[in-house]
Amino acid sequence: AQSVSQHNHHVILSEAASLELGCNYSYGGTVNLFWYVQYPGQHLQLLLKYFSGDPLVKGIKGFEAEFIKSKFSFNLRKPSVQWSDTAEYFCAVTIGGYQKVTFGTGTKLQVIP
Amino acid sequence: EAQVTQNPRYLITVTGKKLTVTCSQNMNHEYMSWYRQDPGLGLRQIYYSMNVEVTDKGDVPEGYKVSRKEKRNFPLILESPSPNQTSLYFCASSFGAGGSSYNEQFFGPGTRLTVL
Repeated sequence: AQSVSQHNHHVILSEAASLELGCNYSYGGTVNLFWYVQYPGQHLQLLLKYFSGDPLVKGIKGFEAEFIKSKFSFNLRKPSVQWSDTAEYFCAVTIGGYQKVTFGTGTKLQVIP
Repeated sequence: EAQVTQNPRYLITVTGKKLTVTCSQNMNHEYMSWYRQDPGLGLRQIYYSMNVEVTDKGDVPEGYKVSRKEKRNFPLILESPSPNQTSLYFCASSFGAGGSSYNEQFFGPGTRLTVL
């Protein structure tokens, strides 16, 4: 069964700092990868997704993620965070052809003005 | 407006009193799923459904039931709720199966359940 690890549980950054959140998965075959964001009191929204092709994926609000197959990783990045990026971020994986979705435990990002 | 709706949004109940949380989507999605969100544990999948009358267990199905009699609805049933089912529940839907870009899930607003 697949699993997802997010090693950073709580990250605190100042505005304009660069962000990188780690995501590692365990499955040797074809995977589909996602990053979702949950703003305080709201439901999850899709930031970006990877299915195939260019391993560097660009999402909404200036976020991007890079799929590195050899490292089983899909880290989320943003060059300059804003206070409005304060939220919880979840990495998720599905195995190609199946709809069982596995989420990581989430990373809470707090951006200080 | 394309959306996933859940009802109720908040519910306080007592141990053993059967309850149902409804979920409905208006996007003609084939796939629907239920998750629970607990601090430090992220989202864990309870049940999912690939289509009408097709459901399967996720990672934490114990104590829950689901049904998929219509494409748009996917209710979550707790026959005999217990305090360890106190959680935030999310319903989600997507177009279908397979490794395609249609796999994006759309989430409902959540239902906060407290079992005393």
